[in-house]
Order: sequence, then structure tokens, then C-alpha cells
Amino acid sequence: GQQVMQIPQYQHVQEGEDFTTYCNSSTTLSNIQWYKQRPGGHPVFLIQLVKSGEVKKQKRLTFQFGEAKKNSSLHITATQTTDVGTYFCAANTGTASKLTFGTGTRLQVTL
Amino acid sequence: EAGVVQSPRYKIIEKKQPVAFWCNPISGHNTLYWYRQNLGQGPELLIRYENEEAVDDSQLPKDRFSAERLKGVDSTLKIQPAELGDSAVYLCASSLGSIYNEQFFGPGTRLTVL
Repeated sequence: GQQVMQIPQYQHVQEGEDFTTYCNSSTTLSNIQWYKQRPGGHPVFLIQLVKSGEVKKQKRLTFQFGEAKKNSSLHITATQTTDVGTYFCAANTGTASKLTFGTGTRLQVTL
Repeated sequence: EAGVVQSPRYKIIEKKQPVAFWCNPISGHNTLYWYRQNLGQGPELLIRYENEEAVDDSQLPKDRFSAERLKGVDSTLKIQPAELGDSAVYLCASSLGSIYNEQFFGPGTRLTVL
């Protein structure tokens, strides 16, 4: 079945440093969504990307969809302790009509 | 507006016992999902409903898992009998329309099978 890989699995940064997580698929994606899950919480929707090469920004967060629509990234500028959590991408190939969640990247931010 | 409601929040049972989880989606959301999330992993889809119809249950272990969504609103997920490997968080989510729309997740039910 469709697999969505995320790297890194875990990252520990100091507050103020930048952070990036990458989501990769072997198949072309029709859309990709990003979710954040705080420790002990449930996934919360952040954004959806649909177009090839699309870039969207939400304050310190920048989301990109690759030109070939096989990968995506989430970049956080100047991390804060409130950014702590696990970031998941969720991708759909279109033919599968199913959103497959990636393995997630756990972000730890310390002062 | 109320979010997705799930109950119970926690459940501890012995293996071979039955267990049921309940979900009430956001009002007006016709699509409902049940996911299983193991520790340190992403949610895995078990079943997706469009109104009362199960449109994707390919990942549901049908020998022991069953689900229903009568009247296209609330849903129940059942495991009978439970096995040790079923210990996980069971998440319910809902969305307005298709999988191309934002999914709203409930708080989940943490199941421990002893």
C-alpha cells in the first residue's frame, strides 16, 4: 500500500532555532495535509497543499509541496516552546481515495 | 461549537473481553473516520463512513472488529474478543465532505488490554 515517510523521526532544538520536517512518497500525491499533535493530545489540522510547487505560510510556519508532488516540507522559523509536539503529514494519492498519515516527526524545544 | 466527542476516554480490559467505543461527530459532518494510533506512530485508518455507508473498511480486521453508524450520525466501534496487540489509542474524526477536507479529531480512547 501507499507509504509516506517522514524524516527526521525526532529533533531536539533550542528555542529560537529553526526546524524542518520532510514528508516523502514514492507515488504522486493529489493533496497533502499537515497536522500537529501535542503530547497527550489529538491531531489538529494545520494546512492542506494541493498544487505543484505550492508554498503556504502561517506566521512562523512555512509549508511547501514539491514540484513533482511527491514530497512536502514544514519549516518552523525561530521555534518556541509552544511548538513542541509531533508533526504529521497525511497524503492522498487520489487513486486510493485515502489519507495516509506519515510516521511523524517529534519536536522537542528547550530554553 | 462542540467538537468530536468520544467515550470512554480510557478503558482497561482483560484479553478476550469485548469492548466498544462511541463517537459523536461534529454536527453536519457527513464523513466519519475511525483510526488506531499506536505509541510513536501516526494514525492508521480503520474505517471511513460517508453518511451511514462504510466506503473504506479495507484496513478493518473484520474477524474481531466491527463498526456501525446508524442514521449517519453517531458511530460505534467494537472489538470482540480483544487481544493484547489491540492496546492503542482509538481516534474518531469527522469532516465535512470528502477526504480533501480538514479532519477534526476527537480526544481518543486509550485502550489497554491486559
